[in-house]
Amino acid sequence: DIQMTQSPSSLSASVGDRVTISCRASQSINTYLHWYQHKPGKAPRLLIYAASNLQSGVPSRFSGSGSGTDFALTISSLQPEDFATYYCQQSYDLPRTFGQGTKVEIK
Amino acid sequence: EVQLVESGGDFVQPGGSLRLSCAASGLTFSNYVMGWVRQAPGKGLEWVSAITGSGDPTTYADSVKGRLIISRDNSKNTLFLQMNSLRAEDTALYYCAKVDSTSGRLGAFDIWGQGTVVTVSS
Repeated sequence: DIQMTQSPSSLSASVGDRVTISCRASQSINTYLHWYQHKPGKAPRLLIYAASNLQSGVPSRFSGSGSGTDFALTISSLQPEDFATYYCQQSYDLPRTFGQGTKVEIK
Repeated sequence: EVQLVESGGDFVQPGGSLRLSCAASGLTFSNYVMGWVRQAPGKGLEWVSAITGSGDPTTYADSVKGRLIISRDNSKNTLFLQMNSLRAEDTALYYCAKVDSTSGRLGAFDIWGQGTVVTVSS
């Protein structure tokens, strides 16, 4: 199975901060990498697909980068509604696997 | 608007069975790969199973293989997860999700339901 490792596991940040979350795959997955935002009691929300493509309706402060084994999700200016847990997920091979999540908390 | 609504979650004893349903609307259901993803209490997201638009093939995480069975009824726009021989570690919020089959989107889950809770305990 392809292991997905996110870092950090959690972070504290202030509104307006630039935040970057990393995701590393245990083998090359090309750009078969997606990012989701998850808030308690809500359905997960697709933010970025295929490593760097912004899903329709997602604010442009979110961006994704990377290919192969190393990826990043960046929030350029953190907003109050962005406090949530973020997951990366690979769709290169079965079984599909998620990272363990990065919880973004208010400083 | 595409919507997915899960149902069927319940409290069940170890070794018991349960069938989850996911009703889809606003899409041509048979065109899409569908999947189940779960989140155990205090844990992250775990991919469980997926099924093609035609119903075959199906795929499973090793942790559920042989115990959980995914199926679909395209005439009723409904996805199912038959859960047998349930274990305490199957306790989770179960989401159904639609795979985006658009070329270039590389299989992301673009639409998710709100989830249904399964609790396995004696």
